Amino acid sequence: GAGVSQSPRYKVAKRGQDVALRCDPISGHVSLFWYQQALGQGPEFLTYFQNEAQLDKSGLPSDRFFAERPEGSVSTLKIQRTQQEDSAVYLCASSLDRSPLHFGNGTRLTVT
Amino acid sequence: DQQVKQNSPSLSVQEGRISILNCDYTNSMFDYFLWYKKYPAEGPTFLISISSIKDKNEDGRFTVFLNKSAKHLSLHIVPSQPGDSAVYFCAATPGSGDKLTFGTGTRLAVRP
Repeated sequence: GAGVSQSPRYKVAKRGQDVALRCDPISGHVSLFWYQQALGQGPEFLTYFQNEAQLDKSGLPSDRFFAERPEGSVSTLKIQRTQQEDSAVYLCASSLDRSPLHFGNGTRLTVT
Repeated sequence: DQQVKQNSPSLSVQEGRISILNCDYTNSMFDYFLWYKKYPAEGPTFLISISSIKDKNEDGRFTVFLNKSAKHLSLHIVPSQPGDSAVYFCAATPGSGDKLTFGTGTRLAVRP
């Protein structure tokens, strides 16, 4: 596909479960970002990769959140021991160097 | 601390008239600004951007104005069309390609 692909589209987890969210960026895009969007809010930055290097993880809310991009393409955002406050839409975006971000459709996580 | 603010959560405009969406920012380091449009259940889509060296950028029906001294930007859509109905996010960054800081969005409804 031509766009950023995220899976699953929807995820329901019981409190305390671990979840893994996947992002397939646009082919050739060097930069990859993860954002968290709570209901009624704008997207908030979580972490940034340039190829396989995680250059900024200042937005990760706790050490329960972990992201990786081992081969510089697909990325996974993992949340351990999910809490209700983790319920949000998780957006992945990719870009060529210094170009506007292209977002995927997001994964809506609901923690019950 | 909300560094990018969109103080109008919603706006309703008649088809064919002008829509004006406003955005204020507080961080003087921001020098590149973007507008994204978001439909329900989709990720944000890039609309238009402006660098701080300009005060206006135009693309078809969309024009973005930047007033650096007031730390204010606006998006003008003219003429407005029903298909423009969406949530519009203002975003800012210290440099193109860096992480974006988003506002909370303005929901635009264009009435036929």
